[in-house]
Amino acid sequence: QKEVEQDPGPLSVPEGAIVSLNCTYSNSAFQYFMWYRQYSRKGPELLMYTYSSGNKEDGRFTAQVDKSSKYISLFIRDSQPSDSATYLCAMSAGVDSSYKLIFGSGTRLLVRP
Amino acid sequence: KAGVTQTPRYLIKTRGQQVTLSCSPISGHRSVSWYQQTPGQGLQFLFEYFSETQRNKGNFPGRFSGRQFSNSRSEMNVSTLELGDSALYLCASSLGHGGSTEAFFGQGTRLTVV
Repeated sequence: QKEVEQDPGPLSVPEGAIVSLNCTYSNSAFQYFMWYRQYSRKGPELLMYTYSSGNKEDGRFTAQVDKSSKYISLFIRDSQPSDSATYLCAMSAGVDSSYKLIFGSGTRLLVRP
Repeated sequence: KAGVTQTPRYLIKTRGQQVTLSCSPISGHRSVSWYQQTPGQGLQFLFEYFSETQRNKGNFPGRFSGRQFSNSRSEMNVSTLELGDSALYLCASSLGHGGSTEAFFGQGTRLTVV
């Protein structure tokens, strides 16, 4: 079993829809959680960075972390065709385990005009 | 503020050759990590350097090596290339201390081994 599980999709939604992307994990030591967006043939772009449990909002994006359930989510409101990309979750235990990030496999999102 | 710069962007090499990839982190960042991305395995951690010292290493053979210079720039070397080494190699830059693991990636070097 992988440390981080993520549905590969593809997830296809109409423009303006609310998108929900999720990851589950097994390592209770993880305390730093990130979401990256990656366009084809580009490097991952950091969207959201959170520490421990709770919510964080940035514009149309909201990240949620539920450490008790080992479950993290990214919500995208008013989705746009330009949001079409692969979304990767990543997590880390922090300084005791160096700064190694463990990634999910990524979810492909397609926002239809 | 300049981002993470990786060079070259594309490389084509022959089996058995060796290759060196370069990464310049964000100014002030002292940690550089390297990842391999393939369609089948996703993003996999290769190694991390902080202040010229390797702090952590992933499960890759010894053909994969790296180093970091005093200005935090890093190089990654792959010797005796195999077809399976074809991948996007990504470099991530972070502060590297204080517990923050916020990491920023470069555009990657796409290596094709023929």
